[in-house]
Amino acid sequence: GDSVTQMEGPVTLSEEAFLTINCTYTATGYPSLFWYVQYPGEGLQLLLKATKADDKGSNKGFEATYRKETTSFHLEKGSVQVSDSAVYFCALRVGDDKIIFGKGTRLHILP
Amino acid sequence: DADVTQTPRNRITKTGKRIMLECSQTKGHDRMYWYRQDPGLGLRLIYYSFDVKDINKGEISDGYSVSRQAQAKFSLSLESAIPNQTALYFCATSEEYQETQYFGPGTRLLVL
Repeated sequence: GDSVTQMEGPVTLSEEAFLTINCTYTATGYPSLFWYVQYPGEGLQLLLKATKADDKGSNKGFEATYRKETTSFHLEKGSVQVSDSAVYFCALRVGDDKIIFGKGTRLHILP
Repeated sequence: DADVTQTPRNRITKTGKRIMLECSQTKGHDRMYWYRQDPGLGLRLIYYSFDVKDINKGEISDGYSVSRQAQAKFSLSLESAIPNQTALYFCATSEEYQETQYFGPGTRLLVL
């Protein structure tokens, strides 16, 4: 069945470091791919998305490219800030149905 | 005001009690969802509804029931709570043919 696998956390980085959170997927159709972010004490909110192969989603300095050949959608940011500390979820949607979420990766940014 | 609200935000209950978690939205979306979040397990779908007359089970519906009272309201019930239902519960909404889901702030439930 359809699934999402993302790197386990927690990930701890110093401020201004480069961030990569890996995400790979398995899907029978042509999924749309998402990254959601959950800040402490809040619900999830959409960070970025890509709907077809080679699309790049971007928002708030974060980027992810839909790679069909490697079935991946890795999240990157060139220079992280303390305010980026949160839990990040990779997710996919196939068809007009529901979204499947990964298990989440907790990110800690140290000042 | 928040577009998706959940009540209560925190709840402590005892094993065997019936409880209801409520979700309301002002976004005008037809689709509503209930998820639970457990550490290390991410979000798992409990139930979802594509309109008032449409209710569907998710991957972990056992022990839960839902009611879609109106387009704007979707309630989750635990008929007889058990300790392994201790979790963070989220309601979400989405618009038909749109992929983004909008989440409420969550309800933290502790079953003793």
